[in-house]
Amino acid sequence: NAGVTQTPKFRILKIGQSMTLQCTQDMNHNYMYWYRQDPGMGLKLIYYSVGAGITDKGEVPNGYNVSRSTTEDFPLRLELAAPSQTSVYFCASSYSHGGFQETQYFGPGTRLLVL
Amino acid sequence: SQKIEQNSEALNIQEGKTATLTCNYTNYSPAYLQWYRQDPGRGPVFLLLIRENEKEKRKERLKVTFDTTLKQSLFHITASQPADSATYLCAPPLYSGGGADGLTFGKGTHLIIQP
Repeated sequence: NAGVTQTPKFRILKIGQSMTLQCTQDMNHNYMYWYRQDPGMGLKLIYYSVGAGITDKGEVPNGYNVSRSTTEDFPLRLELAAPSQTSVYFCASSYSHGGFQETQYFGPGTRLLVL
Repeated sequence: SQKIEQNSEALNIQEGKTATLTCNYTNYSPAYLQWYRQDPGRGPVFLLLIRENEKEKRKERLKVTFDTTLKQSLFHITASQPADSATYLCAPPLYSGGGADGLTFGKGTHLIIQP
């Protein structure tokens, strides 16, 4: 199993541009998450999904959109990039039965620089 | 809002000694707490999960305690090795009562094991 994969690894965007960060997991997990990590700070939850077709906001959702059309994929969309979105983005997945949290498996991250 | 505090300064420990990391939380009551390890440029890796009704959890050289009265979790690495050098993240659930709706992370403690 590849686990959680993310593309691209690194990207430079200009202010106002848009892009999609890709995330795929091959563990048949029902839950998927997007976090961002700023230097010297803890990871912050952006959005999460409890299954295909169901998404919900986390702590810092402004400026982002998500969709989940399949169990495997959970892309994160930035519509109008701003310098404040410069960060490292991590996708994670977990299996939860009855809403009880289990281990989260993280991808390698996407480093985004907005200039 | 809830707050997670870890000693984010570097913690230097001599090889073979026990390293003890602290995580304090305020303003809510998490039903569980997880600990992750993060190496530079990589995603977090799950280590241990402890639930509110468990006082202590062990895995090989790792031990976690969870004191809901003190609102504190301690993470111990016994017989520490240079390979244990990394940043360790405390991660309770985003909301009180647990659930799988994402985690909130402390800033992490950077542990350095000196030979």
